[in-house]
Amino acid sequence: SSELTQDPAASVALGQTIRITCQGDSLRTFYASWYQQKPGQAPVLVIYGKNNRPSGIPDRFSGSNSGNTASLTITGAQAEDEADYYCNCRDSSAFLWVFGGGTKLTVL
Amino acid sequence: QVQLVQSGAEVKKPGASVKISCKSSGYTFTSHFMHWVRQAPGQGLEWMGIINPSGDSTTYAQKFQGRVTMTRDTSTSTDYLELSSLRYEDTAVYYCARDVSAVTSWWFDPWGQGTLVTVSS
Repeated sequence: SSELTQDPAASVALGQTIRITCQGDSLRTFYASWYQQKPGQAPVLVIYGKNNRPSGIPDRFSGSNSGNTASLTITGAQAEDEADYYCNCRDSSAFLWVFGGGTKLTVL
Repeated sequence: QVQLVQSGAEVKKPGASVKISCKSSGYTFTSHFMHWVRQAPGQGLEWMGIINPSGDSTTYAQKFQGRVTMTRDTSTSTDYLELSSLRYEDTAVYYCARDVSAVTSWWFDPWGQGTLVTVSS
């Protein structure tokens, strides 16, 4: 089965830019989606497709893709962006999905 | 607005079964697949499976095959997740999440609020 790899933790100074990455073979075939999860809350979609934001998601969130790597970039991180971030993608050869292990983002 | 509302918390003994519901509103229920995802305490998200819009086809993660059943009632716009032979490690928050897709892209939006299942003797 396919796997998606994320760094477990990352930190960014307030107002600075952070890129969170997700690696996996299925990303060569399909786009990833990204989810933000704050403690005690359900995940929320922040990026989908090539680089699309749902309504209500600030434009400081953006996505990009290269080869087997998908990236979520937060430009000008805010205190409220401190959360866990998960990537997700469909398996390239089967009708199933997989999540990355998640990245815990700390805003300093 | 699109909304998924899940049933309340459950406490079950090892070996028992649990059935969780997820009621949809605000969209055409029979136009979307539904995913189920779980999250053990302090752990990441784990995809469990998917059910098709008409409810006659499911795909489960290999880890759960034989123990999980996903069904839906299109007359009430409600999805169900049943997990049997519960173990302590099945203690988790279980989420339903609507599937949305485009060419080469799928995403989960929105998510239900989650249902805590506690397995305890």
